[in-house]
Amino acid sequence: GNSVTQMEGPVTLSEEAFLTINCTYTATGYPSLFWYVQYPGEGLQLLLKATKADDKGSNKGFEATYRKETTSFHLEKGSVQVSDSAVYFCALEGYSTLTFGKGTMLLVSP
Amino acid sequence: EAGVVQSPRYKIIEKKQPVAFWCNPISGHNTLYWYLQNLGQGPELLIRYENEEAVDDSQLPKDRFSAERLKGVDSTLKIQPAELGDSAVYLCASSLGRIAGDNTQYFGPGTRLTVL
Repeated sequence: GNSVTQMEGPVTLSEEAFLTINCTYTATGYPSLFWYVQYPGEGLQLLLKATKADDKGSNKGFEATYRKETTSFHLEKGSVQVSDSAVYFCALEGYSTLTFGKGTMLLVSP
Repeated sequence: EAGVVQSPRYKIIEKKQPVAFWCNPISGHNTLYWYLQNLGQGPELLIRYENEEAVDDSQLPKDRFSAERLKGVDSTLKIQPAELGDSAVYLCASSLGRIAGDNTQYFGPGTRLTVL
């Protein structure tokens, strides 16, 4: 079956540091891949997506590249802000259903 | 454009009581999903509707959970009776759907249920 593995958190960074959150997946076929972000007490917001191999999704300074050869979709940002503190979920879509990772909490200090 | 709307945002009930959650999807979205999110975990699908038809309810505990999507728009998820282990966040999401060529899911704010 489909599965998503994310690096465990929390990830603690200082403002303006470089961010990487690792995500690898197992799936049949060629799923679409997503990153969602969840702020405290809120639902999930779509951050970015990629629908085929080598696609790069980007939004608000965040980027992730769909790597079929390594079955990965790592999230990166060049300079994080305090306002980026949240939980980040990697997900894949198969048969119209999303399979999520467990989430990675990011804490950014001033 | 309005996003996915859910109500209530918070609900506290005694065990064995019934509870219902309501969801209004994004206008024009044919596919609606209910997810369960336990603390510290990613969401897990409970049920998926294509218009008014429940096409995937394999993970819905049917002894106590039920859902409906009359007229293919709003949806209600019900638990009767609630158990302590049902305390979680219940998320609703919607998408245009596979026929429209876009399964990107957009989530509502969720309903946080506490069962005492």
